Amino acid sequence: GQNIDQPTEMTATEGAIVQINCTYQTSGFNGLFWYQQHAGEAPTFLSYNVLDGLEEKGRFSSFLSRSKGYSYLLLKELQMKDSASYLCAAMDSNYQLIWGAGTKLIIKP
Amino acid sequence: NAGVTQTPKFRVLKTGQSMTLLCAQDMNHEYMYWYRQDPGMGLRLIHYSVGEGTTAKGEVPDGYNVSRLKKQNFLLGLESAAPSQTSVYFCASSPYGQPTDTQYFGPGTRLTVL
Repeated sequence: GQNIDQPTEMTATEGAIVQINCTYQTSGFNGLFWYQQHAGEAPTFLSYNVLDGLEEKGRFSSFLSRSKGYSYLLLKELQMKDSASYLCAAMDSNYQLIWGAGTKLIIKP
Repeated sequence: NAGVTQTPKFRVLKTGQSMTLLCAQDMNHEYMYWYRQDPGMGLRLIHYSVGEGTTAKGEVPDGYNVSRLKKQNFLLGLESAAPSQTSVYFCASSPYGQPTDTQYFGPGTRLTVL
C-alpha cells in the first residue's frame, strides 16, 4: 500500500532550527512535496524535490533520499509565524499526491 | 486574480439532505481536484478532472459526484449526506497535473452533517 509517515506534533523555540521528517512508500514516485497549512486555512506550497539532495529556499530547506524513501524539511531562524502544520506529500506513478497527516509545529518564545 | 475560490465557506446539513459545493479558478488551469481533510488523516482525493468535460475517481469517491461543465468550475455534489461526510473540503487546481506543477488550494468548505 501507499503510506506517508510524519510526526504528529513538534515544539521548537523562536530563533532555533527544527527538522521535520517524512518517510514515504508509494507505487512509483514522481517527487516529494512540502506544504504549509496555518490553522483554518488552505495548504500553500513550500518545496518540491525529485532528485536526491538538499534544496534551499531562504529559511526553508528540503532534503530527499529516494533510496531510503525519506525526506525532511528544515526550518531555520524560527519565527512565531512559522507555527503551522507542515504536510508531506509524495506523487505516485499516476501523478496523484499521497498526503501525510501533517506535523503540527508549535513555536515558543 | 482571485486564484481558487470555494462557496460556501460553512454549511450544516441534516442526514439525507443534498448540496453542491462550487469551486472556481481564474488561472486557466486544466486540472482540478476535490479533497477532504479529516483530523489525524492526510488530505484524501475524492475526484479530479484533467480538463473541461472530464472527471475521474480518486481515493474516496463513494457518496460524491462531480461535474466540470466549464473549465473554470468544478462542482462537488452530495446526493444524500451522511455524518461520515462531516469534513473540511478543499478544492485545488494545477496547470497540467505534472510533478513540477504546484497545486493551488481554495480556502476550504467546512461541512457538518447532523
